[in-house]
Amino acid sequence: DSGVTQTPKHLITATGQRVTLRCSPRSGDLSVYWYQQSLDQGLQFLIQYYNGEERAKGNILERFSAQQFPDLHSELNLSSLELGDSALYFCASSEGQGGGANVLTFGAGSRLTVL
Amino acid sequence: AQKVTQAQTEISVVEKEDVTLDCVYETRDTTYYLFWYKQPPSGELVFLIRRNSFDEQNEISGRYSWNFQKSTSSFNFTITASQVVDSAVYFCALSATGTASKLTFGTGTRLQVTL
Repeated sequence: DSGVTQTPKHLITATGQRVTLRCSPRSGDLSVYWYQQSLDQGLQFLIQYYNGEERAKGNILERFSAQQFPDLHSELNLSSLELGDSALYFCASSEGQGGGANVLTFGAGSRLTVL
Repeated sequence: AQKVTQAQTEISVVEKEDVTLDCVYETRDTTYYLFWYKQPPSGELVFLIRRNSFDEQNEISGRYSWNFQKSTSSFNFTITASQVVDSAVYFCALSATGTASKLTFGTGTRLQVTL
């Protein structure tokens, strides 16, 4: 158990729908990161939050949004879902603000299937 | 732009064989960090090692060893006396200082160890 908790583990939904993925970081970690793993794109960085504020943005679609709450948990919202959004979504956390040296601890992932 | 190349898509070995996973990277930054992560069949990403660009010393941890060669931009990973439990997908990743830990991952090498 890495200490990073992601729910749900599996999610099946239809095109056009909206889903929310939830992540609780490891105790003491202030940064939360979201990554997408798909067969086409591999592992891609989506977005990072540090202590409630957005710190960095990657290849995140406009249909996707995220936030980090005062208790440091984070949610990734995916809307107007398309078949291509089917992927494994990872949350990771780290202690610091996210300099390149930070070691990210990953959760087990949330597998999203869009039918 | 940063890039990580893992040319070996899949490797199959018999237990107790040694195996080397190759990783070649590209970056214009002078300070950067290299990582290896393991993704077992259960799906989570497990951190194995971090190396900074100023430390070219090779590292050994049990049956695992890493060879960092800045001159060839490579950070190869060797498993000695492989075991079935080593079967997983292994990812090499790169981040630069100040990039908020936006890890750039390679496409991964799937290692299959059989009896």
